[in-house]
Amino acid sequence: ETGVTQTPRHLVMGMTNKKSLKCEQHLGHNAMYWYKQSAKKPLELMFVYNFKEQTENNSVPSRFSPECPNSSHLFLHLHTLQPEDSALYLCASSQDWTSSTDTQYFGPGTRLTVL
Amino acid sequence: GENVEQHPSTLSVQEGDSAVIKCTYSDSASNYFPWYKQELGKRPQLIIDIRSNVGEKKDQRIAVTLNKTAKHFSLHITETQPEDSAVYFCAATPILTGGGNKLTFGTGTQLKVEL
Repeated sequence: ETGVTQTPRHLVMGMTNKKSLKCEQHLGHNAMYWYKQSAKKPLELMFVYNFKEQTENNSVPSRFSPECPNSSHLFLHLHTLQPEDSALYLCASSQDWTSSTDTQYFGPGTRLTVL
Repeated sequence: GENVEQHPSTLSVQEGDSAVIKCTYSDSASNYFPWYKQELGKRPQLIIDIRSNVGEKKDQRIAVTLNKTAKHFSLHITETQPEDSAVYFCAATPILTGGGNKLTFGTGTQLKVEL
């Protein structure tokens, strides 16, 4: 499946490191999302971008910084993370944020471990 | 905001039996309910969805039922097969004009189909 890709697939970082997660969608969509998936918890929406503009920030700590240079690419910049930030970070895209019933297509995720 | 509860957290069935996963939601404004399947190590994928203007929807071996009065909806899988083994997530969102594709997910059900 190549609709939504994410790199890297696995990342181990120390609390003082700076790293970035990348997401790319090849579906011609205009909305892109970052989710956090932790064990035994629901998928947590972090950020939403629609036509490159941020439309949602779900009270995410500033150590997570998103960037959306165009409708096909989404980044999540990580800085001074905590061990509790270890999780699977999923990117998703949909045709248009304003349409609540548009299917969200997910990427394979980046498994992040913070030491 | 919306709160979605999902039960059971784990479900084990014999191949060929039926499986039922139940979700309840809190926001009476929610009227779109998708279900996602996530196989081990893979991305979540939409398998079926239902809108509040219908009470039941079927697609081959899977079906979803919705009771808006009681604010609960269920996923039914008949004639289960080993490839049905996965984590299933329910979600809910209101359909509002320009309101945004903001899914609230349940905590997931780990379904295991045993031979």
